[in-house]
Amino acid sequence: EPEVTQTPSHQVTQMGQEVILRCVPISNHLYFYWYRQILGQKVEFLVSFYNNEISEKSEIFDDQFSVERPDGSNFTLKIRSTKLEDSAMYFCASTSGLGLINYGYTFGSGTRLTVV
Amino acid sequence: GENVEQHPSTLSVQEGDSAVIKCTYSDSASNYFPWYKQELGKGPQLIIDIRSNVGEKKDQRIAVTLNKTAKHFSLHITETQPEDSAVYFCAARGPGNQFYFGTGTSLTVIP
Repeated sequence: EPEVTQTPSHQVTQMGQEVILRCVPISNHLYFYWYRQILGQKVEFLVSFYNNEISEKSEIFDDQFSVERPDGSNFTLKIRSTKLEDSAMYFCASTSGLGLINYGYTFGSGTRLTVV
Repeated sequence: GENVEQHPSTLSVQEGDSAVIKCTYSDSASNYFPWYKQELGKGPQLIIDIRSNVGEKKDQRIAVTLNKTAKHFSLHITETQPEDSAVYFCAARGPGNQFYFGTGTSLTVIP
């Protein structure tokens, strides 16, 4: 079964450092997403990406965040200057999004980001 | 924006019994409601979904019901098994292209 692959599985970084989280969505999917889950809390939307541009973003997704699809397979989330409160599990997801009906996402296994 | 509430936060059932998890949503424009199962160390996995033009959907031991008027939907798991133990999340697709998740229900099936 096709999978969304995320690397690394766990990243520890110093506060103020830049991090890049990587994702390989399912190959024929068109919509890509980043969500985060702070420990013990709900999964929160960060950003959606379609046709090589951001289609929606939440208030969490401020100027410190950026996304990129540098080639035909990877989808990255960059945090420019990490803060302690950025510590969370970050999930990438993709969907085929056929027509006007969005199908359920396929999530990756997540990257646990720990900012120290 | 959309607000999704989920209850209960924890649920323990004996193996073979049924489990019910309930969610409410606030935005009447929401039209798609998936349920996800998250096992330890893994990402959420879609287990069943329902669209707003349908009142009930069933897939083997799992069923979901939707009451659009009351703006609530429920997950029903029958004949529970230990491998059903996980955290379950409901979600609602809002007016945009994003999902709003509930806070999760930690289900424990006791053998």
